[in-house]
Amino acid sequence: KQEVTQIPAALSVPEGENLVLNCSFTDSAIYNLQWFRQDPGKGLTSLLLIQSSQREQTSGRLNASLDKSSGRSTLYIAASQPGDSATYLCAVRPGLNNQGGKLIFGQGTELSVKP
Amino acid sequence: EAQVTQNPRYLITVTGKKLTVTCSQNMNHEYMSWYRQDPGLGLRQIYYSMNVEVTDKGDVPEGYKVSRKEKRNFPLILESPSPNQTSLYFCASSFVVAGGINEQFFGPGTRLTVL
Repeated sequence: KQEVTQIPAALSVPEGENLVLNCSFTDSAIYNLQWFRQDPGKGLTSLLLIQSSQREQTSGRLNASLDKSSGRSTLYIAASQPGDSATYLCAVRPGLNNQGGKLIFGQGTELSVKP
Repeated sequence: EAQVTQNPRYLITVTGKKLTVTCSQNMNHEYMSWYRQDPGLGLRQIYYSMNVEVTDKGDVPEGYKVSRKEKRNFPLILESPSPNQTSLYFCASSFVVAGGINEQFFGPGTRLTVL
């Protein structure tokens, strides 16, 4: 059974630091992996979607990488800002083909960026 | 504005009293899904629907029902709610591409308390 883990559960950094959030999954048979941001009391906002055939995706100060063989993805945030404070979740689409609608989430990393 | 809406946003009820949480999207998405979010457990998928009249179980379907009679709506029904269904519920939608789901868009969440 596919399991997704995010470590650490919480992270506090000073403003301006570059940081890396980790996501690991137990079964390398995934179709894609998605990173989300969740603000307190709000829904989830999609940040980046990486297909299994891709190694990385970039959007602004965010860069997500995927290493299927090792079951890992990282979300790199450059020059962190207080506005980046939120919970970051990763989710995997299990399976080797793009069929079906299952999505398995990690528990999230709560990020706090101090001014 | 493209969005996923959920109603109600907050609900307090008592054990055994049937309730429905509505979800509606205006993006003509084929796929819709329900999740619950609990501290320490992350988001877990309850049910999903690949299209009208097509529904399937996620990881935690027990105690819930869904229906998909129209493309835009995907209500979540709790026939006999119990305290262990106290949670934050999210609805999400997505286009279906080549049989699978794409980037998901989430509603704002419904906080349910069952006494």
